[in-house]
Amino acid sequence: EVQLVESGGGLVQPGGSLRLSCAASGFTFSSYWMSWVRQAPGKGLEWVANIKQDGSEKYYVDSVKGRFTISRDNAKNSLYLQMNSLRAEDTAVYYCARRIQLRFLEWFLDYWGQGTLVTVSS
Amino acid sequence: QSVLTQPPSVSGAPGQRVTISCTGSSSNIGAGYDVHWYQQLPGTAPKLLIYGNSNRPSGVPDRFSGSKSGTSASLAITGLQAEDEADYYCQSYDSSLSGNWVFGGGTKLTVL
Repeated sequence: EVQLVESGGGLVQPGGSLRLSCAASGFTFSSYWMSWVRQAPGKGLEWVANIKQDGSEKYYVDSVKGRFTISRDNAKNSLYLQMNSLRAEDTAVYYCARRIQLRFLEWFLDYWGQGTLVTVSS
Repeated sequence: QSVLTQPPSVSGAPGQRVTISCTGSSSNIGAGYDVHWYQQLPGTAPKLLIYGNSNRPSGVPDRFSGSKSGTSASLAITGLQAEDEADYYCQSYDSSLSGNWVFGGGTKLTVL
């Protein structure tokens, strides 16, 4: 059974940092692109970042470029999101998800974790 | 404001059929990019409902179906059940954005 379990969320002050983790099990982690998606309270979904199987390609939504870094450790079956210079507008539940590539540029997310809440506030 | 527009809410009585639209443009759906749909039950993580416009993952009831035409896509739910009450999101690729992968704003389905 595919399982994705996020951790690392919490309350952080504006300008602070936080590192989210996602532990994967039930599938060959190193064979899949992975993604982070967030959802602000009461709002819709927003794609945040993608990372290729070997970590050689990474993509970010404009609003987090230069502040967030996606990474992975295939030996530990783990996905990470390092978030620096956090802003109030980064407050959201952050989900990790497994990405399925349909064709070049086109993908969907077939398994999602339960999410971890990040609150940026003074 | 997403480039994929969904109605904020739809409703229907048990047993009825409802549709949820996802309207895009020539840089996303109209360019031929596939649309995928997710269901988010209250207080839970999103779940894949439809991929590649009209394909259902294993375990998704055939009451759920997807279609695409022109610059729009639709999710249809037949035989509406109380447990279908949820938020529904479409997702696709947009060639005009630097952050190319977008979700629709979401539609809240209420079962009356």
